[in-house]
Amino acid sequence: GAGVSQSPSNKVTEKGKDVELRCDPISGHTALYWYRQSLGQGLEFLIYFQGNSAPDKSGLPSDRFSAERTGGSVSTLTIQRTQQEDSAVYLCASSLARGLYNEQFFGPGTRLTVL
Amino acid sequence: AQSVTQLDSQVPVFEEAPVELRCNYSSSVSVYLFWYVQYPNQGLQLLLKYLSGSTLVKGINGFEAEFNKSQTSFHLRKPSVHISDTAEYFCAVSPLGSGNTGKLIFGQGTTLQVKP
Repeated sequence: GAGVSQSPSNKVTEKGKDVELRCDPISGHTALYWYRQSLGQGLEFLIYFQGNSAPDKSGLPSDRFSAERTGGSVSTLTIQRTQQEDSAVYLCASSLARGLYNEQFFGPGTRLTVL
Repeated sequence: AQSVTQLDSQVPVFEEAPVELRCNYSSSVSVYLFWYVQYPNQGLQLLLKYLSGSTLVKGINGFEAEFNKSQTSFHLRKPSVHISDTAEYFCAVSPLGSGNTGKLIFGQGTTLQVKP
């Protein structure tokens, strides 16, 4: 079946512009995660969704970052007024979220470059 | 809070030699432990996990890892590596307890370079 998909695969933007990154989880997966992979910080957790609500936003680095999920499916990560330090690969993962452990399946990522 | 330390940023090794990638963690609560692999230009893939039970866990592609609670370590091993094992390896923990969200806390990664 289809895995987690993300779009765009690459995004180049100018400093100060807003960007939207999209994640389509595996069908039926109720849990969705955003992570960021950058040279300086490694792989960092950003936000967790269960259904359409986000009970854990502890990893969002600033108020320029926000995310939403609609219909318990597609999620959008929005970065406002982008800065050069936002350049990274943004990864999305989803899981079934039943029981204590549920394997996360990762998408290919969106590579964001802020000039 | 949790943290994960991968002690080696790069590990060069010759083909068919054994390898160990080291991982130590710190946590005030119980955790699940994971190793993920990222092949060049590909996404993250689960290699193996420790949830409970036997401290020696086996994963895909001949890898295994041993959980040592007293040393808070979860080192990854393979007795004989192949060129195709060249990739970046990430150790991760997921904290348990109230509010368990399943989020992963990753180490900085170790690049395994297998040479012919």
